Amino acid sequence: QVQLVQSGAEVKKPGASVKVSCKASGYTFTNYDINWVRQATGQGLEWMGWMNPNSGNTGYAQKFQGRVTITRNTSISTAYMELSSLRSGDTAVYFCARGRRDSSGREYFDSWGQGTLVTVSS
Amino acid sequence: DIVMTQSPDSLAVSLGERAAINCKSSQTVLDSSNYKNYLAWYQQKPGQPPKLLIYWASTRESGVPDRFSGSGSGTDFTLTISSLQAEDVAVYYCQQHYSTPFTFGPGTKVDIK
Repeated sequence: QVQLVQSGAEVKKPGASVKVSCKASGYTFTNYDINWVRQATGQGLEWMGWMNPNSGNTGYAQKFQGRVTITRNTSISTAYMELSSLRSGDTAVYFCARGRRDSSGREYFDSWGQGTLVTVSS
Repeated sequence: DIVMTQSPDSLAVSLGERAAINCKSSQTVLDSSNYKNYLAWYQQKPGQPPKLLIYWASTRESGVPDRFSGSGSGTDFTLTISSLQAEDVAVYYCQQHYSTPFTFGPGTKVDIK
């Protein structure tokens, strides 16, 4: 079955960077996009960006441009999301989600990782 | 960016009764070339990731009980739970997957009355 397993919780100081991993199994990693979505405690869902694991092409929400980088290692079916210049407002659970595209090229998120809590605190 | 709104913020429904959640987008999510509405619904239980229920506004994801249904077109959509079960207690989010940045509604909390 499709599984996305994320790395463990992180505690970072303001100004630092964090890199969260998302290991895929149960399907061909390069056939589906990986998206990243975050959720602050008690809050809603916020999309950060996507990556095509086959080409390495990426797209980011304007809000995170210049601070977020999504990469992959196809040999181990793993995607990564790195967020830099962390501030307290970045404290959230970060999810990876598999994107299933239709013929128009648009995608929806059919499987999600378990989430990784990133806490930013001095 | 497409702004998504939902109503109500929360609702409490008796077991076996119908629950309906509304979602509105600030611009159309209908692709007139294929007549698909790019609107998805997710269910999130405490401590869990979201789970896809519905995509293309009305297509149920495999394995989702048929008491969940989606309707609407253009900018106005509804998720209906025809007969609420105890396991349906959760927060429900709509999301437009028409254009990036993909945006979500603020969520609707569903409880048992």
